Order: sequence, then C-alpha cells, then structure tokens
Amino acid sequence: ILNVEQSPQSLHVQEGDSTNFTCSFPSSNFYALHWYRWETAKSPEALFVMTLNGDEKKKGRISATLNTKEGYSYLYIKGSQPEDSATYLCAFISGAGSYQLTFGKGTKLSVIP
Amino acid sequence: ETGVTQSPTHLIKTRGQQVTLRCSSQSGHNTVSWYQQALGQGPQFIFQYYREEENGRGNFPPRFSGLQFPNYSSELNVNALELDDSALYLCASSSRGLTNTGELFFGEGSRLTVL
Repeated sequence: ILNVEQSPQSLHVQEGDSTNFTCSFPSSNFYALHWYRWETAKSPEALFVMTLNGDEKKKGRISATLNTKEGYSYLYIKGSQPEDSATYLCAFISGAGSYQLTFGKGTKLSVIP
Repeated sequence: ETGVTQSPTHLIKTRGQQVTLRCSSQSGHNTVSWYQQALGQGPQFIFQYYREEENGRGNFPPRFSGLQFPNYSSELNVNALELDDSALYLCASSSRGLTNTGELFFGEGSRLTVL
C-alpha cells in the first residue's frame, strides 16, 4: 500500500498572506504527481501534473515544485485570496503497477478576508 | 465545468441492496476511473476503464464492478451494500490513456448513504 501524506491537514491564513503545504510520497518508482483543488460542492479541478525531478510549475498565484529523489512536492500560494479557500489534494502515480492515482487526504485551506 | 456528469447526486439505500452509479465522460475521453471518498479520507481508487476494458483495480472486493460503454460513459455497480460503503463516489475521465500523465476531469460525485 502506497503512503501519500499531506501536511498540514488544515490551515487558516489571512487574505494577502502567502502559504505553502507539502505532499510526501514514496521516493521509489516515481512516475507522476498530480495536484487538484477541490472547492466545496464542486468537482476537483486539476492544477498541475508533474513528471520530472526538479519540475516547477506555475498557474497564476499558485506554483508547485517537485523533488522525486526525496519524495516530496510543495504547493505555494502567493497573496492568498478568499476564493483560494478549498481542499488541495495531491495524488502519486507509481511506475510499478497500473498507473493508478493514490491520493493524500488533502490540506484544507481557509482564507480569512 | 469539467464536462463530466454523474447521477444520481444523492441516494439512500439499505444494507444488502444493490446500487448503480452513472458517469458521462467529457467528449473525446476514452479513459474513466472511479474513486471512493469516505469521510475524512482522500479519494481511493476503485478501478479504471480504457476503451471498455477494465485496466487496474484498487483494493475493493468483487461486489464492486463496472462497465464502460462504446460512447465511453460508465457505470459503477455495488452489490450487497454494507454500511461502510457510505461515501462520495467520484468519476474522472481523461484522454491520455492508461498512464495518467494528463490531468483528470472529475464529476461532482454521487453521495451514497447506506442505512
């Protein structure tokens, strides 16, 4: 059973603050890592798919980095806005198997206006 | 809007009953996967279908079964429902085939309650 851990479980930040959270995954048989944002009562929405060690991806104020050697990815949000409030999920794909996604439990972000 | 629709959105069943959940994939997507999200957990992979064939299955018993149709829509069937089957069931589609290097497009889920 693959272990994908996300931390913190939840956090509250003030509007305008920058924040970051972590996804830890097995450092062997890495194939890809997905990040999704999930707002309440909506469907999860893809943010990034990362495949290469050292990858850095950016979408607006959100960016992510990837370290496959040590098994972690960081998601950064610069200047948080209330609309960033959501649960952020990462999902690891191992190259040994059927390429299924193994999700973490998510980090729930609340941005206080 | 992801273009992935699931039905029903909510349903209540009793133990021992059977349920069928449906998913309409985004146009052009030939791969669909199903996930179960229990309270306080991340989504757990149930199985994946590619061009109507099951390809990959998570740690779920055989009473969880599925189908993918020629138009790439899909069903998840659960027989002999148990209380622990109460969860949100998510469907996701993609056009990138089996290796999931492309993003998945999720529906909003079907919330199943088993009494």
